[in-house]
Amino acid sequence: DSGVTQTPKHLITATGQRVTLRCSPRSGDLSVYWYQQSLDQGLQFLIQYYNGEERAKGNILERFSAQQFPDLHSELNLSSLELGDSALYFCASSPARGRQPGSPLHFGNGTRLTVT
Amino acid sequence: GEDVEQSLFLSVREGDSSVINCTYTDSSSTYLYWYKQEPGAGLQLLTYIFSNMDMKQDQRLTVLLNKKDKHLSLRIADTQTGDSAIYFCAERGFQKLVFGTGTRLLVSP
Repeated sequence: DSGVTQTPKHLITATGQRVTLRCSPRSGDLSVYWYQQSLDQGLQFLIQYYNGEERAKGNILERFSAQQFPDLHSELNLSSLELGDSALYFCASSPARGRQPGSPLHFGNGTRLTVT
Repeated sequence: GEDVEQSLFLSVREGDSSVINCTYTDSSSTYLYWYKQEPGAGLQLLTYIFSNMDMKQDQRLTVLLNKKDKHLSLRIADTQTGDSAIYFCAERGFQKLVFGTGTRLLVSP
């Protein structure tokens, strides 16, 4: 058990809808990362938050947004969903912010999103 | 930019050694990581190596780093059927980990 909790485990929704994915980081970790895993794109970095502030953005669509709350949990909001958004969405946490030694990412088990 | 490449597939027999290879591009990477993903699960951190090391051993796992060639390998000794999974290498890029495409390891009895 990595200590990172993601809910829900599975989500099935229709095109055009909006969903919220939730992540609770490991106790004491300040950084939260979101990744998308799809068959054709592999593991793509979406966005990172550190202690409530956005720190880095990757290949995140404008239809997607995220935030990190004062209690350090994070939510990823996906709107105007398309079939191509079907994927596994992972949250990961680490104690540190960036290139800091010995701060690997610990991953949750992911949320599998299916858009029909 | 940051880019990490791996071969897609490796098949071995139970009891053999497995060697999974990875090349990366960011010469300033301080840490390189190996993760394992079993079906339906998240990514499990297996091991990592600091860039000033050539080798790290952890039980059945041996990581070799050739910094000059930007080549990383993971050797699994006495491979078991339970080792069947996808293995990802990752480099510590700016503010994030950059992952390879993953190598699917299939261990047959």
